[in-house]
Amino acid sequence: GQQVMQIPQYQHVQEGEDFTTYCNSSTTLSNIQWYKQRPGGHPVFLIQLVKSGEVKKQKRLTFQFGEAKKNSSLHITATQTTDVGTYFCAGTGGFKTIFGAGTRLFVKA
Amino acid sequence: NAGVTQTPKFRILKIGQSMTLQCAQDMNHNYMYWYRQDPGMGLKLIYYSVGAGITDKGEVPNGYNVSRSTTEDFPLRLELAAPSQTSVYFCASTTGTGYNEQFFGPGTRLTVL
Repeated sequence: GQQVMQIPQYQHVQEGEDFTTYCNSSTTLSNIQWYKQRPGGHPVFLIQLVKSGEVKKQKRLTFQFGEAKKNSSLHITATQTTDVGTYFCAGTGGFKTIFGAGTRLFVKA
Repeated sequence: NAGVTQTPKFRILKIGQSMTLQCAQDMNHNYMYWYRQDPGMGLKLIYYSVGAGITDKGEVPNGYNVSRSTTEDFPLRLELAAPSQTSVYFCASTTGTGYNEQFFGPGTRLTVL
């Protein structure tokens, strides 16, 4: 079945450093979504990418969707302590959305 | 709008007991989902529904059942609870074709001892 793999599993950064998480699917995706989950909280939608090669920015966050629509990345520039949490990618095929295992980001002030 | 609500917030079950996790949304969303999240892990889809009266299995449906008699409610039933079902359960909903953002409930933390 469809699998969505995400790396790294954990990332420790110093505040102000950049951070990137990568997402790879075993199959071509219709779209990819990114969610953030704060510790003890629930996933919250960040963005959806639909087009091949699409790049979207939200302030310090940059999201990319690969040309083959099988991979994606989230890059955070100059991390802040408020960026702490787990970032999930989620690929949609048909009616189902398959989540990656997530990358947990730790930011040291 | 309350969004997606889940009850209870916490529950401890003994092995072999049964319970129903409640989920409701007031956004008139057609699509609803149940996920489980084990500690430090991602979300695994248990069951989903594309509308009232229609449900289907996700990745990990064994040991669970669902029903969707109304657009608003999507309860998850655990029969004969096992320690492997210790997890946090999230309900989510989305509108349209399912290719839109999912709105998650606050979760139910279940422990089976």
